[in-house]
Amino acid sequence: DTAVSQTPKYLVTQMGNDKSIKCEQNLGHDTMYWYKQDSKKFLKIMFSYNNKELIINETVPNRFSPKSPDKAHLNLHINSLELGDSAVYFCASSQGDAGANSPLHFGNGTRLTVT
Amino acid sequence: AQSVTQLGSHVSVSEGALVLLRCNYSSSVPPYLFWYVQYPNQGLQLLLKYTSAATLVKGINGFEAEFKKSETSFHLTKPSAHMSDAAEYFCAVSLNYGQNFVFGPGTRLSVLP
Repeated sequence: DTAVSQTPKYLVTQMGNDKSIKCEQNLGHDTMYWYKQDSKKFLKIMFSYNNKELIINETVPNRFSPKSPDKAHLNLHINSLELGDSAVYFCASSQGDAGANSPLHFGNGTRLTVT
Repeated sequence: AQSVTQLGSHVSVSEGALVLLRCNYSSSVPPYLFWYVQYPNQGLQLLLKYTSAATLVKGINGFEAEFKKSETSFHLTKPSAHMSDAAEYFCAVSLNYGQNFVFGPGTRLSVLP
């Protein structure tokens, strides 16, 4: 019973393509996130959704578009992929209305390689 | 703005030795603090969290961390390292509003036989 699952695990594609990463959580959480982890392991938040509403939108190129069809799903669509988009993308969830001490639960990541 | 620093991007210890991973935060208000562990090719798992109930927090796998407000620190320790502890460790902070977690740059722990 995977709590936060993302697909695909690996994604290899060419520059200029459009790709999507899907994320689902079965924890009943109301807040979901996308994080980007670069080659130096640095984690940076990209987006956060609470009950399908966007609440955090960091400085991310508008080629990245999150979509939350319901509070259990948060997908990430990337247009016109660039070499610099290569990274590991993590989906996470938390119970936002429990306060800021509600920890994040992470998926296993999607390793995106743009060639 | 809140930030997190982790002194030492790579720490090596011998099996059975004390593990000490350092975390300092910068925040204008007392934050909530977390330690996460990331094993190779996996997501991050919560080790422990500080939520102001007690300054010494015990987590999973024998790890614990102590919150020291005067030093703005939340260092992670384990009395005796095991080979299975080799991983990347991240300290994170979250303020009492919103759900914006900020992560430190991580410390890679190596355990030598």
